[in-house]
Amino acid sequence: DQQVKQNSPSLSVQEGRISILNCDYTNSMFDYFLWYKKYPAEGPTFLISISSIKDKNEDGRFTVFLNKSAKHLSLHIVPSQPGDSAVYFCAATPNYGGATNKLIFGTGTLLAVQP
Amino acid sequence: KAGVTQTPRYLIKTRGQQVTLSCSPISGHRSVSWYQQTPGQGLQFLFEYFSETQRNKGNFPGRFSGRQFSNSRSEMNVSTLELGDSALYLCASSLGWGNEQFFGPGTRLTVL
Repeated sequence: DQQVKQNSPSLSVQEGRISILNCDYTNSMFDYFLWYKKYPAEGPTFLISISSIKDKNEDGRFTVFLNKSAKHLSLHIVPSQPGDSAVYFCAATPNYGGATNKLIFGTGTLLAVQP
Repeated sequence: KAGVTQTPRYLIKTRGQQVTLSCSPISGHRSVSWYQQTPGQGLQFLFEYFSETQRNKGNFPGRFSGRQFSNSRSEMNVSTLELGDSALYLCASSLGWGNEQFFGPGTRLTVL
């Protein structure tokens, strides 16, 4: 049972344009969400997070939006750069500030930014 | 500040053997979690430790075990290796609960 889903296995975007990566979840107990970027043979790199008390969080070129009623979150990258090409994972945890750091990961979206 | 380190980076074992992987968290971090990444199952949570105590465990057989030492360093052990245990094993550390987790580079385990 995939509790965190990234339905687009891949996405191709032109340099300078916006990249939008989507993520859906099924467990209403999830209340803290994170995005990670991963290159092959390396560990994931933390990008940005959002708690369920917010609907938007920005950090430089990265913005995460959370729609709790739809159980949907998205990562916007503006402007996209070739160095952003990687696999992006969304992750969720059921207990922000509580007694677990367990992350449930989506299956990932491969972003390719074309020069 | 040094990041999360994992040793060894690569391992080749044969079925039936056992293996121990090591993780050193970022200095000051007390929480360590382990994940398995495979092409078929993606990134899956194995277990997490905080102050030497296992706080949570994923859906893996008892062949997978771990521990955390007083200096927050952690080890995971897999006994009686199976071909399906071939994976990238990732360790993540954080200050505590509700904080961002930072991942190490992983240990690539190949079981022949």
